[in-house]
Amino acid sequence: QSMLTQPPSASGTPGQRVTISCSGSSSNIGSNYVYWYQQLPGAAPKVVMSRNNQRPSGVPDRYSGSKSGTSASLAISGLRSEDEADYYCAAWDDSLNGYVFGTGTTVIVL
Amino acid sequence: EVRLLESEGGLVPPGGSLSLSCVVSGVTFIRHGMSWVRQAPGKGLQWVAGITGSGDDTYYADSVKGRFTISRDNSRNTLFLHMNSLRAEDTARYYCAKMRSVMATATFFEDWGQGTVVSVSS
Repeated sequence: QSMLTQPPSASGTPGQRVTISCSGSSSNIGSNYVYWYQQLPGAAPKVVMSRNNQRPSGVPDRYSGSKSGTSASLAISGLRSEDEADYYCAAWDDSLNGYVFGTGTTVIVL
Repeated sequence: EVRLLESEGGLVPPGGSLSLSCVVSGVTFIRHGMSWVRQAPGKGLQWVAGITGSGDDTYYADSVKGRFTISRDNSRNTLFLHMNSLRAEDTARYYCAKMRSVMATATFFEDWGQGTVVSVSS
C-alpha cells in the first residue's frame, strides 16, 4: 500500500508557526479530501483537520489546512507545548480503493 | 459520549488466526461506517479495512486482502475483524475507528478506540 510523503519532523519554539507538508498523487490527494490526525504519545489518533481545511469542533483555530493539486499542508500557529505530537495526513485513494496515510511528522516544541 | 471498546488481542503463531471485536456505544451504530486501522511498533498508521453502515460494502488494504474479513452486527453494535494466515508483519496495535458518515469512503475517522495489541510470533 503506497503512502503519502511527509517530512519526518518539524520543530519550533512556543509561539512560532510550524507547517507540515503532505505529498501524494492524482489518485489520492489530487481527487479526494485530505484529513489530518494528531497522535499524542501513548494515545489514539484524533482528527484535527477535515475536508482539506475544516476544523472539527473543539480544534483550536491555531490549526489550519490547505490543499493544492496533489499536495496538502497543515499549519499550526502560536505553537504550544501541547501541540507536541505525531501528525498524519490521510486521503482516500481511487486506484487502491482504500485509505492511504502519510508517513507521519513529529512536531517538536523546542 | 461515544465509546469504542476493542476486545483483547493476543500472541498468535505465524499462520494462525485471531478475531477482534469492537463494541460501540453512544451513537446510532448503523448510521456510521467503520474501519480498522493498525500501527506497528514505532511505525505509522496503516488503514486495514472498512465497512459501510449497512454492512453491504467492504474494503481492504492489499496487504490483508484474502486473509482478513471485516464484518459487523448492527443488532449488537459490534464490529469484527477476522484475521487468518497471520504473518509477523501483521504485528501491530489495531484500532477500531468510527467514520463520520454511513459510508466507509470519502469521509474521516471521527472516533477511535484505544486499540488492542496483536503479536504474531513463534
